[in-house]
Amino acid sequence: DVKVTQSSRYLVKRTGEKVFLECVQDMDHENMFWYRQDPGLGLRLIYFSYDVKMKEKGDIPEGYSVSREKKERFSLILESASTNQTSMYLCASSDTGNRGNTIYFGEGSWLTVV
Amino acid sequence: AQSVTQLDSQVPVFEEAPVELRCNYSSSVSVYLFWYVQYPNQGLQLLLKYLSGSTLVKGINGFEAEFNKSQTSFHLRKPSVHISDTAEYFCAVLQTGANNLFFGTGTRLTVIP
Repeated sequence: DVKVTQSSRYLVKRTGEKVFLECVQDMDHENMFWYRQDPGLGLRLIYFSYDVKMKEKGDIPEGYSVSREKKERFSLILESASTNQTSMYLCASSDTGNRGNTIYFGEGSWLTVV
Repeated sequence: AQSVTQLDSQVPVFEEAPVELRCNYSSSVSVYLFWYVQYPNQGLQLLLKYLSGSTLVKGINGFEAEFNKSQTSFHLRKPSVHISDTAEYFCAVLQTGANNLFFGTGTRLTVIP
């Protein structure tokens, strides 16, 4: 079974703090994603990466950055957390190609910024 | 541009009754279609997906969906729901040649005993 592991399930941070959300996948997938989930808005793509050190902006990249130094690990960084970044963050991974490959999700990280 | 519309944000249904969760999409290119389920405090799990071939797709937990190209719909159905089906359901599209999913806003299914 594919496993996507998000290291922190629940975090509480203060406004202005730097926040790291870590994600690891064990299936040697090329693609990795960070989504944000908010009630009534569904899931929105923040960033994705299709290879080590490669990244592309999604629909809502403002206020976020990412890092992919190793194939299995994809980090989401909030340089200076703000209260409007309180949300559920979901990491995902998939194999490459355009064959409709399934995207596999982690269990999510609930971030509260106070 | 692409969009996914889930017409119902909440669907209450009695246990053992049938349910249909609606999904419509728009895209200028061909797409693959997915339904994911999210149980409370968990990530998303794939229910089923349509890539090509038969327009009726069967998934896990007794769910099925029908791809209707002319109506650009991909509605999810189950003939008899259980309490354990209470969850949020997301429809998503993947444009051919793209890597990331585009999601609808979700439908919360509540099964009433």
